[in-house]
Amino acid sequence: AIQMTQSPSSLSASVGDRVTITCRASQGIGNELAWYQQKLGKAPNLLIYGASSLHSGVPARFSGSGTGTDFTLTITSLQPEDFATYYCLQDYNYPWTFGQGTKVEIK
Amino acid sequence: QVQLVQSGAEVKKPGASVKVSCKASGYSFTDYYIHWVRQAPGQGLEWMGWINPNSGDTDYAQKFQGRVTMTRDTSISTASMELNSLRSDDTAVYYCARRGWIDDSSAYYYLDYWGQGTLVTVSS
Repeated sequence: AIQMTQSPSSLSASVGDRVTITCRASQGIGNELAWYQQKLGKAPNLLIYGASSLHSGVPARFSGSGTGTDFTLTITSLQPEDFATYYCLQDYNYPWTFGQGTKVEIK
Repeated sequence: QVQLVQSGAEVKKPGASVKVSCKASGYSFTDYYIHWVRQAPGQGLEWMGWINPNSGDTDYAQKFQGRVTMTRDTSISTASMELNSLRSDDTAVYYCARRGWIDDSSAYYYLDYWGQGTLVTVSS
């Protein structure tokens, strides 16, 4: 199975900050990667698919990049509602695998 | 609007089985795969497998092979996930999710709608 290594596992940031989360795949996955946001006690929400395509209704301050093995989720100008845990998910082949998550906390 | 509504919380003893249901509405049930994902308390997301509601075909993560069965009932637009031989480390919130796709220059798949989650507690 493809392993997804996400970093950092947590970070502290302030409203207005630029935040970057990375995900590395154990083998090339093209651009078949999605990013999800999960708030406490809620189901995950899709942010990005195809590594860089913004899902409908997701604010433009979220963006994704990367191809092959290295991927990045960037949040420009962090908002109060963005404090949550973020996961990457590879859908290149089965079994799909998630990164271990990055918790974004208020500084 | 698309909705996935899951069955309620369960408490089971070790060795028992649990069946979680996921009722779909707002779209054509047989047009989209349903995936199952679980999350142990304070832990990350773990992919379990999928079912094709049209054909009934399934694919399970190796970790769950032999213990999990995913089924569907198209007459009531409901997918179900049954997990057997429960252990304490099966305590988790179980989610169903719809696999959407877009066919651009390439086909991309993603989990675009999720159920609210079902807490399964395994305790003696």
